[in-house]
Amino acid sequence: EDQVTQSPEALRLQEGESSSLNCSYTVSGLRGLFWYRQDPGKGPEFLFTLYSAGEEKEKERLKATLTKKESFLHITAPKPEDSATYLCAVQAGEDRDDKIIFGKGTRLHILP
Amino acid sequence: IAGITQAPTSQILAAGRRMTLRCTQDMRHNAMYWYRQDLGLGLRLIHYSNTAGTTGKGEVPDGYSVSRANTDDFPLTLASAVPSQTSVYFCASSDRQGLTQYFGPGTRLLVL
Repeated sequence: EDQVTQSPEALRLQEGESSSLNCSYTVSGLRGLFWYRQDPGKGPEFLFTLYSAGEEKEKERLKATLTKKESFLHITAPKPEDSATYLCAVQAGEDRDDKIIFGKGTRLHILP
Repeated sequence: IAGITQAPTSQILAAGRRMTLRCTQDMRHNAMYWYRQDLGLGLRLIHYSNTAGTTGKGEVPDGYSVSRANTDDFPLTLASAVPSQTSVYFCASSDRQGLTQYFGPGTRLLVL
């Protein structure tokens, strides 16, 4: 069964303290891995899409990387405004109707 | 450009009542999706539509129905609401199935 697991469930960091969020997946035939940010009371906001192992994408203090079994979202020198829930999603398989599977998210809290 | 709009923003509904959640996108995306988000369970796909005139079942379709009469609109109907359908509902769209999904602001539904 295809699965997406995010860790940790929650993370508290001091402002400026860099860290990484993990998204591990077991799927047959990865077609794409997506990272989203979700603020309380709002819909998920797209951050990155990664398609193949070794690929990296960056946006401000965030960098996403992908291996054959997991993806990391690295946060460098975070600020309080980076506090949010970060969601990982994976699309897998060969069928045109294959769905996207979401992880349960990591709640990130950056303390000033 | 509004992106994706959802209505209502929130609703309290008596069990047994019929309810339609509305979703409209102005990006001319082919694919649209309905998710529910529950604490501890993450985002789960209810129904999807790869193009106008077609729909498909997601992970948790029971108790819900959808229609896709045109490209822009994708309403979700609860024929006879039950308390277990209390959740936050998100509509999303993508240019084609499997590409990055863009989410609406959500509808918070409480079924009593």
